[in-house]
Amino acid sequence: GAGVSQSPSNKVTEKGKDVELRCDPISGHTALYWYRQSLGQGLEFLIYFQGNSAPDKSGLPSDRFSAERTGGSVSTLTIQRTQQEDSAVYLCASSGGRLSYEQYFGPGTRLTVT
Amino acid sequence: ELKVEQNPLFLSMQEGKNYTIYCNYSTTSDRLYWYRQDPGKSLESLFVLLSNGAVKQEGRLMASLDTKARLSTLHITAAVHDLSATYFCAAGYSGAGSYQLTFGKGTKLSVIP
Repeated sequence: GAGVSQSPSNKVTEKGKDVELRCDPISGHTALYWYRQSLGQGLEFLIYFQGNSAPDKSGLPSDRFSAERTGGSVSTLTIQRTQQEDSAVYLCASSGGRLSYEQYFGPGTRLTVT
Repeated sequence: ELKVEQNPLFLSMQEGKNYTIYCNYSTTSDRLYWYRQDPGKSLESLFVLLSNGAVKQEGRLMASLDTKARLSTLHITAAVHDLSATYFCAAGYSGAGSYQLTFGKGTKLSVIP
């Protein structure tokens, strides 16, 4: 079966522009997570979706960041008015099924803000 | 707030040698994860430890968990070059309908012939 997929794999954008990052979780997985990996901050939790419950947005660094998950499947992370400090690799993970505690990570989107 | 401290951050070791990476976490966690990351790649799950005293082994890697000491270890036996990568531990926290992982800073392992 397919793993977690993310697109685009690389994104270069100018400061001040908006970007959208997409995550397709493993089919049937009810939980979806976004993390960010940067040199300065390491790996940080951003947001958690579980089924139809309200997401846990406690890790989002500012109100320029938002995420949604449509139909309990695909998720989009949107960053508005990008700043240089947003440059990082954005990783998506999903979990569910028999090994519900295992988080399977996608390949990530490398975002560069110039 | 759950904090995870991993050490060492850098480890250079000769092939054939043994070594241990340590992962301490600050408050109660229900699961401890170990991941491997190769340069430019995503995270590959190695182990998930669920209970006190849990020990899991895969090839030359063995992970253990002591929940009383809030300590997990990743032991490398007779290292080979293919084990060169960055290893992360992460502690899981469940609360208020949410679940998230808090990661250590990672240990960059270089195995030298």
